[in-house]
Amino acid sequence: KQEVTQIPAALSVPEGENLVLNCSFTDSAIYNLQWFRQDPGKGLTSLLLIQSSQREQTSGRLNASLDKSSGRSTLYIAASQPGDSATYLCAVRDNYGQNFVFGPGTRLSVLP
Amino acid sequence: NAGVTQTPKFQVLKTGQSMTLQCAQDMNHEYMSWYRQDPGMGLRLIHYSVGAGITDQGEVPNGYNVSRSTTEDFPLRLLSAAPSQTSVYFCASSPSGVQTYEQYFGPGTRLTVT
Repeated sequence: KQEVTQIPAALSVPEGENLVLNCSFTDSAIYNLQWFRQDPGKGLTSLLLIQSSQREQTSGRLNASLDKSSGRSTLYIAASQPGDSATYLCAVRDNYGQNFVFGPGTRLSVLP
Repeated sequence: NAGVTQTPKFQVLKTGQSMTLQCAQDMNHEYMSWYRQDPGMGLRLIHYSVGAGITDQGEVPNGYNVSRSTTEDFPLRLLSAAPSQTSVYFCASSPSGVQTYEQYFGPGTRLTVT
């Protein structure tokens, strides 16, 4: 059974810092991995989708990498801003079905 | 496009009551799913559907029913609400048959069972 973990559970950084969020999964047989952002009391907003054949994806200040063989993905946020404060979730879609398995999330606070 | 919509946004139920959470999408997506989100546990899959008339169970299906009579709608029914079903419920959709597509999420329904 696929399991997804995220480290750290919470992170607090001063504005302007570059930071890395980690996502690990136990079964490397995945179709893709998706990073989401969730603001308090809100739904999920898709940030980046990485296909299993890709190594990384970039969108603005965000860069997500994928290492299938080691079961890891990282989300890199450059020059963090207070508006980046949110919970970041990763989810993997495995080869056994169409469903996503989610990690518990990393709660990020960027202090002005 | 409205995307994925959910109603209601908030609901309070008494133990034993039943209700239906509504989910609709206007993107002609074949795949739809329901998740619940509990503190510290991430999102867990309740039920999913790969097309009209086809549904299947996810990780935590007990106490919930679904049906899919149209491509657009995928309601989730709570048969007899229990306090353990207090949670935030999210509906999601994506094109089906091609696992490379991303999922789109609705805004969620916050349910409290007393």
